Amino acid sequence: GAGVSQSPRYKVTKRGQDVALRCDPISGHVSLYWYRQALGQGPEFLTYFNYEAQQDKSGLPNDRFSAERPEGSISTLTIQRTEQRDSAMYRCASSSEETQYFGPGTRLLVL
Amino acid sequence: SQQGEEDPQALSIQEGENATMNCSYKTSINNLQWYRQNSGRGLVHLILIRSNEREKHSGRLRVTLDTSKKSSSLLITASRAADTASYFCATDRRDSSYKLIFGSGTRLLVRP
Repeated sequence: GAGVSQSPRYKVTKRGQDVALRCDPISGHVSLYWYRQALGQGPEFLTYFNYEAQQDKSGLPNDRFSAERPEGSISTLTIQRTEQRDSAMYRCASSSEETQYFGPGTRLLVL
Repeated sequence: SQQGEEDPQALSIQEGENATMNCSYKTSINNLQWYRQNSGRGLVHLILIRSNEREKHSGRLRVTLDTSKKSSSLLITASRAADTASYFCATDRRDSSYKLIFGSGTRLLVRP
């Protein structure tokens, strides 16, 4: 079946603009995670949803970052007033049990 | 912050040789997982080992876990050029979220 999909795959934006990153999890997966990965590093946790409920947002760097999953399926990670330091690969994962399956990621470049 | 540290940071071997990568972590865990990341591609799940397990096999992969030393190792036997990738260990702690804490990875190069 289809894996986790993310869009866009690449996003170039100017500093100060808002961006919205989309994640479409594997059908039926209850849990959805967002991670951010800097070059040469492992992914770092941002936030986690169980169905539509945001259970943990301890990894969000500041209040410019927010996420939602209104119907318990597709999720959107929004970054407001982007800054150059927000440039990274943003990865989404979904799971039904312990194993998390990752999407291809969205590479964000803030100029 | 990163939970785990992989060792070595980089490894270069000849095709057919075995590759061993180590991972250390800091806090008590529920599970430990290994992922592979090819250049420009996504993270692929390789294997999960639970905290009450000591060893697990999957094809050419062998994973060990020593909870007393808070460490794990990944062995790839009879390596192939296609195994060239970065390998990450990831742990989830004994709480309800299963969020993964990744190490910084080992970059493996398998020379043909």
